[in-house]
Amino acid sequence: DTAVSQTPKYLVTQMGNDKSIKCEQNLGHDTMYWYKQDSKKFLKIMFSYNNKELIINETVPNRFSPKSPDKAHLNLHINSLELGDSAVYFCASSQGGGRGRLGYTFGSGTRLTVV
Amino acid sequence: TQLLEQSPQFLSIQEGENLTVYCNSSSVFSSLQWYRQEPGEGPVLLVTVVTGGEVKKLKRLTFQFGDARKDSSLHITAAQPGDTGLYLCAGNNNDMRFGAGTRLTVKP
Repeated sequence: DTAVSQTPKYLVTQMGNDKSIKCEQNLGHDTMYWYKQDSKKFLKIMFSYNNKELIINETVPNRFSPKSPDKAHLNLHINSLELGDSAVYFCASSQGGGRGRLGYTFGSGTRLTVV
Repeated sequence: TQLLEQSPQFLSIQEGENLTVYCNSSSVFSSLQWYRQEPGEGPVLLVTVVTGGEVKKLKRLTFQFGDARKDSSLHITAAQPGDTGLYLCAGNNNDMRFGAGTRLTVKP
């Protein structure tokens, strides 16, 4: 059973389009995250979210928005895609306080290519 | 500016050799984690250390958290090709920050 699953695995789209990436976790974790991994493999937090609190990294453009229909899902919606948005996006989840103090479970990533 | 500095950035060794990779910071962390990431996959948690000076072993992997909780090391004994991957450290202080990783290649 996949613990954190994200779809699609690959996404190729044109500049200016709007797209969504879906994420689901079946671990019963209370906090979910979106990370962006650039070409140099550096992981950067975009959002963390539980049912009480959304924390947004201030460097994330407001074209990016997380949407959580329930505790097990955290989708990422991106408006007006730009070339610089090309990267691998990872969803993750964790249990307990301290925002992942005991570790994250990551999905396998979505490789977004904007052309 | 990266909060966590990992070294070396790249490491290529022969099967059977030992190696150590490092994760350093000027910040104190409440916990520190090591992950391994393989191509096309997400990072997989290897270990979490929370106490200064703590040493944890996972088969041939030995993890150490610095006494001041600012740094950590990962030592691999008798490396195998299956150890190949990107090793990431991440420090937690109510917020998780990742290093840029050490890319390890173990040649058969």
